[in-house]
Amino acid sequence: GEDVEQSLFLSVREGDSSVINCTYTDSSSTYLYWYKQEPGAGLQLLTYIFSNMDMKQDQRLTVLLNKKDKHLSLRIADTQTGDSAIYFCAETGSGNTGKLIFGQGTTLQVKP
Amino acid sequence: DTGVSQNPRHKITKRGQNVTFRCDPISEHNRLYWYRQTLGQGPEFLTYFQNEAQLEKSRLLSDRFSAERPKGSFSTLEIQRTEQGDSAMYLCATLSRNNEQFFGPGTRLTVL
Repeated sequence: GEDVEQSLFLSVREGDSSVINCTYTDSSSTYLYWYKQEPGAGLQLLTYIFSNMDMKQDQRLTVLLNKKDKHLSLRIADTQTGDSAIYFCAETGSGNTGKLIFGQGTTLQVKP
Repeated sequence: DTGVSQNPRHKITKRGQNVTFRCDPISEHNRLYWYRQTLGQGPEFLTYFQNEAQLEKSRLLSDRFSAERPKGSFSTLEIQRTEQGDSAMYLCATLSRNNEQFFGPGTRLTVL
């Protein structure tokens, strides 16, 4: 079946890099996404990667995809206190529906 | 603001009552998705529309749930005879041509 796993918590110091990891099971996923959710808010799309790519960089964000191991990571450079939030990894799964299968989310705590 | 709006933002109801939520998508996006998110979990897919056609429903969507998207514009999600287990955040999302899925702010439902 389709499943997405993430570690639940990550704590870093302001200015350090953060790396949030995700594993997924469906090798036919076309797109993989990272979303950010602040308390009481909806999901903000941070970035996404097409499955035939292995890296995508967007300002402070770097996404790495290892399709063989079904492993996705999000690196945030120079982490700021405003980056404190829950980060969700999601895959599109099989079929062309576009529906997303989400992980449980990783809570990122940034200490000043 | 992603351009996807949802109303109401909060709804408190008593068990057994019916509730209806509305989602107004980004106008040029043909696909519209509903998800449910409970505390500490990632969003779970409920159903989606391609224009006015409802193409897939999750097994999470019991007979008490119904969704519509008349004329392929806004969508409504109705829950009949609400139960305490229905308490959750209900999220709407739409899909761009570039496969970016944008979420609304959600409707938080509390069933007493």
